[in-house]
Amino acid sequence: SQQGEEDPQALSIQEGENATMNCSYKTSINNLQWYRQNSGRGLVHLILIRSNEREKHSGRLRVTLDTSKKSSSLLITASRAADTASYFCAPTQGGANSKLTFGKGITLSVRP
Amino acid sequence: GAVVSQHPSWVICKSGTSVKIECRSLDFQATTMFWYRQFPKQSLMLMATSNEGSKATYEQGVEKDKFLINHASLTLSTLTVTSAHPEDSSFYICSAREGTSGSYEQFFGPGTRLTVL
Repeated sequence: SQQGEEDPQALSIQEGENATMNCSYKTSINNLQWYRQNSGRGLVHLILIRSNEREKHSGRLRVTLDTSKKSSSLLITASRAADTASYFCAPTQGGANSKLTFGKGITLSVRP
Repeated sequence: GAVVSQHPSWVICKSGTSVKIECRSLDFQATTMFWYRQFPKQSLMLMATSNEGSKATYEQGVEKDKFLINHASLTLSTLTVTSAHPEDSSFYICSAREGTSGSYEQFFGPGTRLTVL
């Protein structure tokens, strides 16, 4: 398994602005997943993008994947105070033996 | 959607006692379950992987005699922290994977906060 490296470590924006978070990884993957964690809570699955996909949308979320650069980005448009949370990416090789490991994550603060 | 529950959500115990945490997949059968630990303001650290009906696989540095994992059915895994000490105080999170969708998506429980006095 490999863990992603998220960047930046912390991000503070005003409500209504867009938030862009980046993830880099080292070896080839089957898919990459983004998760959100509110303080003191479990992880919520946001979106999964497969290695043969370049972009995926889900509501206000847009995820891109560039396998040549081994990087992904998560864009949250028109951010809300409720988006304040930690965000983690999880690159995975897939398969029955795959397991998700996590980096330090990105702490997003959205100011009302 | 797939739901994973944990029980209890928080527990306080005295040093030296054992604590059992349950992880259940409510609407799907979980062939594999994972246990993570998270210290304040840190990331989740994978502790072990358990497959139904077989022994758990522990990550390097995790004491298997201290953190007993049982995955007796396709919907239940338990983590028992034996002889707990204050340094075991942490946030324990489980996740479950169905394994048939092809994407091997993991669904996480809400976590259990353990405080050892």
